[in-house]
Formats: sequence, structure tokens, C-alpha cells
Amino acid sequence: EIVLTQSPGTLSLSPGERATLSCRASQSVSSTYLAWYQQKPGQAPRLLIYGASSRATGIPDRFSGSGSGTDFTLTISRLEPEDFAVYYCQQYGSSPQTFGQGTKVEIK
Amino acid sequence: QVHLQESGPGLVKPSGTLSLTCAVSGGSISSSNWWSWVRQPPGKGLEWIGDISHSGTTNYNPSLKSRVTISVDKSKNQFSLKLNSVTAADTAIYYCVRNYAGFDYWGQGTLVTVSS
Repeated sequence: EIVLTQSPGTLSLSPGERATLSCRASQSVSSTYLAWYQQKPGQAPRLLIYGASSRATGIPDRFSGSGSGTDFTLTISRLEPEDFAVYYCQQYGSSPQTFGQGTKVEIK
Repeated sequence: QVHLQESGPGLVKPSGTLSLTCAVSGGSISSSNWWSWVRQPPGKGLEWIGDISHSGTTNYNPSLKSRVTISVDKSKNQFSLKLNSVTAADTAIYYCVRNYAGFDYWGQGTLVTVSS
């Protein structure tokens, strides 16, 4: 099983700042099969990024994904008030599909 | 626009069987996608339970494999989850999801509580 470790656990930032979230895998993940999700309280997760760097439909271009192998990054270039949420990475190329434990982006 | 809707009992007794159904609308379950179940204990992270293809091929999380069955009913455009021998540790929000370049469509989720 591929274990995904996200850091930091919590990121305290102000609107307008840049957010950099990390996802490290216990073994190599094909870039084709790495995704990022946003989850707000009381809502289902929403797909942001698939294939490590492709934005899902309707996702603003302030969200970008990068990385390969075991190290992946989600960047939010300028935080908007609606971006404060929990973010999860996921690998879906190897069974069992696994999620990271999440990074909470909170208002400073 | 694909829409998924979970349904099933919100309360299951310990040692009983959790049964949920996911109705798919706005698209055919027979399309070339996989369909998953994901759960989230209150206040915790996400766990993939398993998935099924339109042809009925399944994959399960080894941590749950002995207790899980996922099936598909193409005539009703829905798929289902059964989890047996449940305990309080199975209390969670259960989501049905479409797999297509990531999990692109999610149901709203349904809370299932295991309690006597």
C-alpha cells in the first residue's frame, strides 16, 4: 500500500497569500494518477487537480499542481476567502487507492 | 452533468450489515468508468473502500475486503455497497463516487451510525 504523507498539518495564512501544500509518497506514484481535493465543512470533497497537474473542470487557475515520483505539490497562488478548507492528495494508480491525511488551510 | 445520490439506513446495529445504494443520473453506469465507495469517519480523513467497473469487475481495500461486497445493477443505473459484521469503527459518512481521471463526481454523502 502506498502511504501518502501531507505537510504541514495546518497552514495559517491570510487572504492574498500564497499557499504551498506538500504530498510525499512512500513509493513512486505515476504522475498520471495523483489528484488533489478540497473539502469544506459539511460538503463532499471536490476534485481540483488530476494527473498531478491538470485542473479539473471549473477550477480557477490560481490552483496548480506539480511534482513527480514521490513528491507532489499543490499551490494556491493567492488565497481567496473561499479557499480556506482541508486539502487531500490521493493516488489512484495502485490498489488500494489511498489518500493523504489532509492539510487544513486556515485564516491567520 | 452526472449526479450521484446515496440511500440506505442511517443506523445499523453492531454485527449487522450496512447496505447502501448509489443512484446515478445524467449519465450511464455502463460507460467506461469505474465507480467507487469512499468513507470518512466524523472529523477524520478519507478511506477508499473499493470500486466496480461497468462490467462488474471489483477491487477492494484489503483492510475491508473480507467484509465488503460492491455490485452494479445496470438496469437501474445504480451500484451498491454491503459491509457486514459492522462495529462502531464503521460509523462514517459514506460517499459514492465516479472514477474518471480522479474522483470527479461525488454524492453528497450519507452518515451511517453503528449503534445498538
